Amino acid sequence: GAVVSQHPSRVICKSGTSVKIECRSLDFQATTMFWYRQFPKQSLMLMATSNEGSKATYEQGVEKDKFLINHASLTLSTLTVTSAHPEDSSFYICSAPPVRGSTDTQYFGPGTRLTVL
Amino acid sequence: SQKIEQNSEALNIQEGKTATLTCNYTNYSPAYLQWYRQDPGRGPVFLLLIRENEKEKRKERLKVTFDTTLKQSLFHITASQPADSATYLCALAGDSNYQLIWGAGTKLIIKP
Repeated sequence: GAVVSQHPSRVICKSGTSVKIECRSLDFQATTMFWYRQFPKQSLMLMATSNEGSKATYEQGVEKDKFLINHASLTLSTLTVTSAHPEDSSFYICSAPPVRGSTDTQYFGPGTRLTVL
Repeated sequence: SQKIEQNSEALNIQEGKTATLTCNYTNYSPAYLQWYRQDPGRGPVFLLLIRENEKEKRKERLKVTFDTTLKQSLFHITASQPADSATYLCALAGDSNYQLIWGAGTKLIIKP
């Protein structure tokens, strides 16, 4: 099946700093990627939809100036958590549908565990 | 508002038995429903998709049913193995393209 990678897998940072998380589709092109956040024992919460060549679409309640998304190519989307605070500590996961215009199957990255001290 | 419920309590099953997990939803008529497996500290892995016009779908030891009248999907693992221990998530197609609405998942523990 299609492979999606994320980097880094874990990151610990100080409060007030910025952290960049990369999401790559390794063997297919993804015009759209999704960014999720998952708190312990809770469901995945969609944060934003990343669109190659255009602005990301953010879900209600997600600050676009805090969570910067850049979809620079058909295989790479980045999420930058700016001025991170302890409440931003979470598990961030990206996904990509290999078939354009369909969520019939989504391939997920392995996730990035962010801890803000 | 749309709501998805999965049993929040862990499900303990003896190895070799059939494990059955439930996904219920309200205020909603999804075009399809998906089941994913998630291991600790990992992203979800797609298992099965079933559409609203399908009653049942099978893949090896996995079986999914979809009852649009009851607004419920059942996920079965037959001949369960300790390696099947994980959290299983259901996700439903949202109103817009690409959108999936997720349940919180049920933790399945298969005891040897």
